[in-house]
Amino acid sequence: DIQMTQSPSSLSASVGDRVTITCRASQSFSTYLNWYQQKPGKAPKLLIYAASSLLSGVPSRFGGSGSGTDFTLTISSLQPEDFATYYCQQSYSTPWTFGQGTKVELK
Amino acid sequence: QVQLQESGPGLVKPSQTLSLTCTVSGVSTSTGTYYWTWIRQPAGKGLEWIGRIYSSGDTNYNPSLESRVTISLGTSKNQFSLKLTSVTAADTAIYYCAREDYLRAYYLDSWGQGTLVTVSS
Repeated sequence: DIQMTQSPSSLSASVGDRVTITCRASQSFSTYLNWYQQKPGKAPKLLIYAASSLLSGVPSRFGGSGSGTDFTLTISSLQPEDFATYYCQQSYSTPWTFGQGTKVELK
Repeated sequence: QVQLQESGPGLVKPSQTLSLTCTVSGVSTSTGTYYWTWIRQPAGKGLEWIGRIYSSGDTNYNPSLESRVTISLGTSKNQFSLKLTSVTAADTAIYYCAREDYLRAYYLDSWGQGTLVTVSS
């Protein structure tokens, strides 16, 4: 299985801050990487697929980059509704695997 | 707009079989550009991919669960199901069904709300 490691596990930030979350894979796989947002008591929601493609309807303050083993999710200006947990997921080889999550909290 | 809804018992006894159904609306499970997937999440923990089924009935399972898991399409074209045998407390989790789009890339673009299954006597 491909192991996905996110950092940090949690972070505290303020509204308007630029936030960066990283995801590292145990093996290289081009851009088969997705990002999800999960709020408490809710199902995850897809934000970005194929490392950098923004899902239709997702605010443009969300951005993704990277390829190979290192990937980044950036929120350019954190909004109140962005406080949540974020997961990366590889879709290069089954079993699909997720990072452990990064919780973004209000400072 | 596609919607998915999980249903099934919320409490299962140890060693018994967990059975869940996902009802899909807004698209047919026989549509050829999607996989239909199960994922689970223990309370306060991360996400674990259980497996998926294609419209043809072809399946892929997580090797960690493969000996106990069966995913099948329902008799209704808009349902698919999960069976997990010989459950233990470690199988207690929120179970989600989801749609996986593979037309441009593989990603889970629609999810059910999730259903909590507790394994306890």
